[in-house]
Amino acid sequence: GAVVSQHPSWVICKSGTSVKIECRSLDFQATTMFWYRQFPKQSLMLMATSNEGSKATYEQGVEKDKFLINHASLTLSTLTVTSAHPEDSSFYICSARKRRQNTEAFFGQGTRLTVV
Amino acid sequence: AQTVTQSQPEMSVQEAETVTLSCTYDTSESDYYLFWYKQPPSRQMILVIRQEAYKQQNATENRFSVNFQKAAKSFSLKISDSQLGDAAMYFCAYTGTASKLTFGTGTRLQVTL
Repeated sequence: GAVVSQHPSWVICKSGTSVKIECRSLDFQATTMFWYRQFPKQSLMLMATSNEGSKATYEQGVEKDKFLINHASLTLSTLTVTSAHPEDSSFYICSARKRRQNTEAFFGQGTRLTVV
Repeated sequence: AQTVTQSQPEMSVQEAETVTLSCTYDTSESDYYLFWYKQPPSRQMILVIRQEAYKQQNATENRFSVNFQKAAKSFSLKISDSQLGDAAMYFCAYTGTASKLTFGTGTRLQVTL
């Protein structure tokens, strides 16, 4: 199988605080992980690509100091939303690719972030 | 840059009937993959079917099949014998040498009795 687990499934945080979202590949090694943001009734917008052991590559318009991505191991990537504001409220989804495979990506179940 | 276009925001099909979802893409690459993903209300992304650009034969997975027209850069999804559980958002996606997935805007499929 190819299971990607994302945690937490939902989180509520106060404005100004930081929140960390974890993405784990449970049964395979993922050299590349992707982080997406999805607004209601819209498509997935790629935020950044993270490769194990190196800095993440951010898409244009995504603030790297706001959305910190760490990919410290072949099975774990984290997204930290720093100094969260209500406009950061969204659905965040991670996906992972198997090592040496540049084909399909496997998705986590997503995290609904609400900043109050 | 690659783009993926889904021109049908919403589609409706009766149970047991067939429906086709459209997708076009733009790329200058010759080696790439195309996918259809399903996103049900749970919002978990589920791979429906994939197509390698170098393969001329259209991919098929049970009730799901694609019509891949490389020259026209078209990649439509046909769902046969539609079931209530097929109701979801369907996203067409592209990946090439950049290795990242580019998604279309999605088509919401309703299945009626």
